[in-house]
Amino acid sequence: GAGVSQSPSNKVTEKGKDVELRCDPISGHTALYWYRQSLGQGLEFLIYFQGNSAPDKSGLPSDRFSAERTGGSVSTLTIQRTQQEDSAVYLCASSPTGTGGNEQFFGPGTRLTVL
Amino acid sequence: AQSVAQPEDQVNVAEGNPLTVKCTYSVSGNPYLFWYVQYPNRGLQFLLKYITGDNLVKGSYGFEAEFNKSQTSFHLKKPSALVSDSALYFCAVRDMGSGTYKYIFGTGTRLKVLA
Repeated sequence: GAGVSQSPSNKVTEKGKDVELRCDPISGHTALYWYRQSLGQGLEFLIYFQGNSAPDKSGLPSDRFSAERTGGSVSTLTIQRTQQEDSAVYLCASSPTGTGGNEQFFGPGTRLTVL
Repeated sequence: AQSVAQPEDQVNVAEGNPLTVKCTYSVSGNPYLFWYVQYPNRGLQFLLKYITGDNLVKGSYGFEAEFNKSQTSFHLKKPSALVSDSALYFCAVRDMGSGTYKYIFGTGTRLKVLA
């Protein structure tokens, strides 16, 4: 079956521009996570959605970062006024539910380069 | 606060030898523990997890891990390494006492299996 998909796969932007990154989770998965993977930094938690509950935004690094999830499915991560330190791979993952011990299914990521 | 440590940036092992990739954690409640693998140019894949029950858990590709509560460790092991096991390995923990559903990932350990 179809896995988690993300688009675009690569994004190059200029400092100060806004970018939108998209995630399509596995159908039926109620939990959705965004992570940032920087070189040598591991995975940094950004935000978590579970069904219709309020998202856990505790990992967003600044108010330039925001995310939404429409209809409990597709999610968009928006970075406003991008900075060079935002350059990283942004990973999305989904899980059947976030409340148990289910593993996460990861997408291929979006590589963001801010010039 | 929950945290995960992977003390080795890189582990080198000869093909056919046993391998160990170390992970220690810190949580306030009971942990859910996971190992994921990232092969070059591919997304993260789930390997195995500990939720409850037997301390020794077995996963994909012949990997296993032992949950040690007293040492707060969850080391990944394989009896006989293959060159194809060369990849980046991440340990992750969810703190069941934290009241959140987020997962904390370690910084990753690069495993290099030498022929």
